[in-house]
Amino acid sequence: GAVVSQHPSRVICKSGTSVKIECRSLDFQATTMFWYRQFPKQSLMLMATSNEGSKATYEQGVEKDKFLINHASLTLSTLTVTSAHPEDSSFYICSAMAPPHTEAFFGQGTRLTVV
Amino acid sequence: GIQVEQSPPDLILQEGANSTLRCNFSDSVNNLQWFHQNPWGQLINLFYIPSGTKQNGRLSATTVATERYSLLYISSSQTTDSGVYFCAGGETSGSRLTFGEGTQLTVNP
Repeated sequence: GAVVSQHPSRVICKSGTSVKIECRSLDFQATTMFWYRQFPKQSLMLMATSNEGSKATYEQGVEKDKFLINHASLTLSTLTVTSAHPEDSSFYICSAMAPPHTEAFFGQGTRLTVV
Repeated sequence: GIQVEQSPPDLILQEGANSTLRCNFSDSVNNLQWFHQNPWGQLINLFYIPSGTKQNGRLSATTVATERYSLLYISSSQTTDSGVYFCAGGETSGSRLTFGEGTQLTVNP
């Protein structure tokens, strides 16, 4: 299957700092990528849809100024958690649809801990 | 949006047993996938199955699109099958996926 790579896999940061998470499609081009968030023992919740060359579409209740998304190329989308607080600690996962843009493949996920 | 209901929420099996996991959708989906989330959080693609039946080794899946449900069968379960199984659906191909709450499977030796 197609490969989606996410980096870093784990990050610990201090409260008030910003953290950038990268999501790359390694063997295909992705005009659209998706960012999900998962709390312990819960399901995945879509945060935003990342569109190459245009603004991201955020789900209701997700602060766009806090979770900055940049999709500058057909193989890379980044999620920046700005001014992180302990309540932002979570597991963040990205996905992309591989051609013919039907099946979603997921990155390894990033476990963010804000202390 | 689509609502996804998975059952059972928890399942405990002895190694070698068979099991069936179910996924119900509130509306028609044109994209339906099953995933296994391993202990490190990685989502492993099991099946892309908006309709019909597919098999891959000990796993098989069936989706009855007209009745808005999908089933995942695990035969001769092994301890390595343990983890959380998610189904997810999208209204159109390439659209966002809505996930069910998952089934936590534990296979004991």
